[in-house]
Formats: sequence, structure tokens, C-alpha cells
Amino acid sequence: DGGITQSPKYLFRKEGQNVTLSCEQNLNHDAMYWYRQDPGQGLRLIYYSQIVNDFQKGDIAEGYSVSREKKESFPLTVTSAQKNPTAFYLCASSIEPRDQPQHFGDGTRLSIL
Amino acid sequence: AQSVTQPDIHITVSEGASLELRCNYSYGATPYLFWYVQSPGQGLQLLLKYFSGDTLVQGIKGFEAEFKRSQSSFNLRKPSVHWSDAAEYFCAVGYNTDKLIFGTGTRLQVFP
Repeated sequence: DGGITQSPKYLFRKEGQNVTLSCEQNLNHDAMYWYRQDPGQGLRLIYYSQIVNDFQKGDIAEGYSVSREKKESFPLTVTSAQKNPTAFYLCASSIEPRDQPQHFGDGTRLSIL
Repeated sequence: AQSVTQPDIHITVSEGASLELRCNYSYGATPYLFWYVQSPGQGLQLLLKYFSGDTLVQGIKGFEAEFKRSQSSFNLRKPSVHWSDAAEYFCAVGYNTDKLIFGTGTRLQVFP
């Protein structure tokens, strides 16, 4: 079955460390997205990519970086510049940009040690 | 700025009762509208979507939603709630851009 795989499910980061969250999809979707979810705040867009080798900042991109070297992969790096990284991170994809329904992975919960 | 409002943070209903979750969006051209459901520790699952046409849309798990242009609303309904419907529900809106705008969610509790 096609879908989106996020790994790991739980991740712990020490102060000053960078960590990378994996997102892989086998849906052959062009567009991919990263969201951050905090209690009571809904989903906030971090970065999105419409096509391979291209990506745009979302609403809260500071302290994060991404790459899109392959269509099926869109890893997110949480850098040490992100001062409050503890959150639930969700990856999504859609057939194309422009409001098509987005399909979501099961998320990665990042915590600070 | 475009926005989505889910005015109810938390709703509690008895099993078998009817349910309505509210969603309002800021004024503008008719957007694309979505409802998603999220179980604890999981990703979001699409319940239903509205792009155009019939303003009453049917989704999965017995849910439906009605688009009302005059009220800028897209409320989610279910005639009889099951205990397994307990989850968090998100309304999302798109305005023919590359991004969706999500509401802050409504947490549904179901009592037996």
C-alpha cells in the first residue's frame, strides 16, 4: 500500500545538537510538506516543496532546514538555532500543490533531554 | 490575513447523540475546504472535502459537512456518535495557493 513513512516515531535531542527527521512517500506525489503541531495551536507550516530540488519557507521556518533531492524524500533538520524544538512533527504530501487533499504520515515526537 | 476558526476547543457528547463541529473561515473567494481527524499520537486522516458543486458533502465514517457561503462556514456533522469517534478534528482551508490553513482543532470526547 502507498503511504508516507516518518521515522523515528520518537526522537530525543540534546541541547546544541542538530537532528534530522525522515519522511518518505511512495505515492508518487510532487508536493511535500512539514508541519509542527503544539497543543492548542493546530498545525503550523515549516517548509514545503512543490518539486524536486525546490522548496519554500512556511510560516515558522526559522531554526529548520530541508532538502528535496529525490521525489520520494523530504527530510527535515531541526538545528540548534531552534530554541523550542519540543513538538510533534508531521509530514504530508499531495499529488500537486494548490490545495489538493494532503496525506499525512504518523508523525515524529521530538523531545529535549 | 486569511484564517480558520474552530470556536470549540473541547466538546463532550454521549454515545448515540448527534454531533456538530463548527468551522468558520475568513472572507474571500470560495475556498477549498477540508475536515481531518487525528487520533492521539497519529497523523491526520481526511474525512471529507469540498471543492465546488453540492454544498452538502458526504465523507467517511458517516460524517457529512455543509458549506454555507453566506455564513463562511463548513460545519461537520454526524447523526449518531460512536465511542470510536473520540479524537481531535481539524478544519482546513485552501485559497488556490500552495498552502492549507488549519484551524486549531476541536477535541471530541464521547461518554458511554
